Amino acid sequence: DSGVTQTPKHLITATGQRVTLRCSPRSGDLSVYWYQQSLDQGLQFLIQYYNGEERAKGNILERFSAQQFPDLHSELNLSSLELGDSALYFCASNAGDNQPQHFGDGTRLSIL
Amino acid sequence: GENVEQHPSTLSVQEGDSAVIKCTYSDSASNYFPWYKQELGKRPQLIIDIRSNVGEKKDQRIAVTLNKTAKHFSLHITETQPEDSAVYFCAANAGGTSYGKLTFGQGTILTVHP
Repeated sequence: DSGVTQTPKHLITATGQRVTLRCSPRSGDLSVYWYQQSLDQGLQFLIQYYNGEERAKGNILERFSAQQFPDLHSELNLSSLELGDSALYFCASNAGDNQPQHFGDGTRLSIL
Repeated sequence: GENVEQHPSTLSVQEGDSAVIKCTYSDSASNYFPWYKQELGKRPQLIIDIRSNVGEKKDQRIAVTLNKTAKHFSLHITETQPEDSAVYFCAANAGGTSYGKLTFGQGTILTVHP
């Protein structure tokens, strides 16, 4: 158990829909990172939040957005879903820059 | 931005042999290099990491070496066991103001045959 909690474990939805993925970081960790893992793209960094503020952005689509709340949990919102958005979405957390990142169990998103 | 290349994409060894996976990175400002092991359907698990002020780090059967001049780092697993079979990812952090974001290699599927 990494201490990072992600819900839900699985999501099945249709094209055009919107979903919210949730992540609770390890106790004491201020940074949350979101990654997308697909078969053809590997593990891709999406976005990082640190203590409620956006810290770094990767190749995150405009249809995707995220936020980190005062209790440090984070949500990743995916809208206007397309078939290609089907992937595993991982959240990771750490205590600070360049400290080990610990991953949650992921949310498997399937778009039908 | 940072680019991380990982080789080989697949690696098959006999139990007890050694396995070596190599990665190169492009950003000379990178200073943190973790390795993750991912079993099928599970989360990536950190197995070892190295920082740029160190050339080698060992943890039991696992070691990582770093050559900053050549911008490459390698994972060495000795006395491999069937339970070492998994996908291994190397990663490098981004230098400058990109803080802790990691760029991952494409992964190596390691199969250890009993």
